[in-house]
Amino acid sequence: NAGVMQNPRHLVRRRGQEARLRCSPMKGHSHVYWYRQLPEEGLKFMVYLQKENIIDESGMPKERFSAEFPKEGPSILRIQQVVRGDSAAYFCASSPAKGAEGYTFGSGTRLTVV
Amino acid sequence: AQSVTQPDIHITVSEGASLELRCNYSYGATPYLFWYVQSPGQGLQLLLKYFSGDTLVQGIKGFEAEFKRSQSSFNLRKPSVHWSDAAEYFCAVGDKRTSGTYKYIFGTGTRLKVLA
Repeated sequence: NAGVMQNPRHLVRRRGQEARLRCSPMKGHSHVYWYRQLPEEGLKFMVYLQKENIIDESGMPKERFSAEFPKEGPSILRIQQVVRGDSAAYFCASSPAKGAEGYTFGSGTRLTVV
Repeated sequence: AQSVTQPDIHITVSEGASLELRCNYSYGATPYLFWYVQSPGQGLQLLLKYFSGDTLVQGIKGFEAEFKRSQSSFNLRKPSVHWSDAAEYFCAVGDKRTSGTYKYIFGTGTRLKVLA
């Protein structure tokens, strides 16, 4: 059981480029969550998805950020026209059902915008 | 609004000493509470969780936590710290949506340093 897989582990983008972060949930998990961790801050919820559906995107910035979890393939967090303030660690987590038992986290993608 | 407060940003203890990390929450109903640990450059690993029942819960790596409703606290403890426990620790509360699913709200974390 490979756990939650995120790639890439590190991503460097120039200002204005696009960043695509991938997350494959644990086998058997159909719920995916994205969190952002800024330096010296805790994890901030961004979005919750099930297959082909966005359930809760209350933590997503209104512009430049989008997420999907297609029927086949990993969940993608996409950041368009990145800015320096987007530099952070982005964590994906998954759960098998409604998440009452807690989440399993991936190792994160550390995005650096130069 | 639901929230989690970890009042200690940094804590330093000597190896072999006891440890207590504080967590206070604000939640209207009986909360689902969690402690996670994050080693440098890694994701978060679940240490323990509380849903109901016995207010003292045991977790992995020798950690335990006690739920105290009267104090809205869920402090994490370990009787004897090992150097490998140096990490960042996050407390979280599960916020139940009307749909029945859960969103987890995390504290800002406590960074533990262990002195040899």
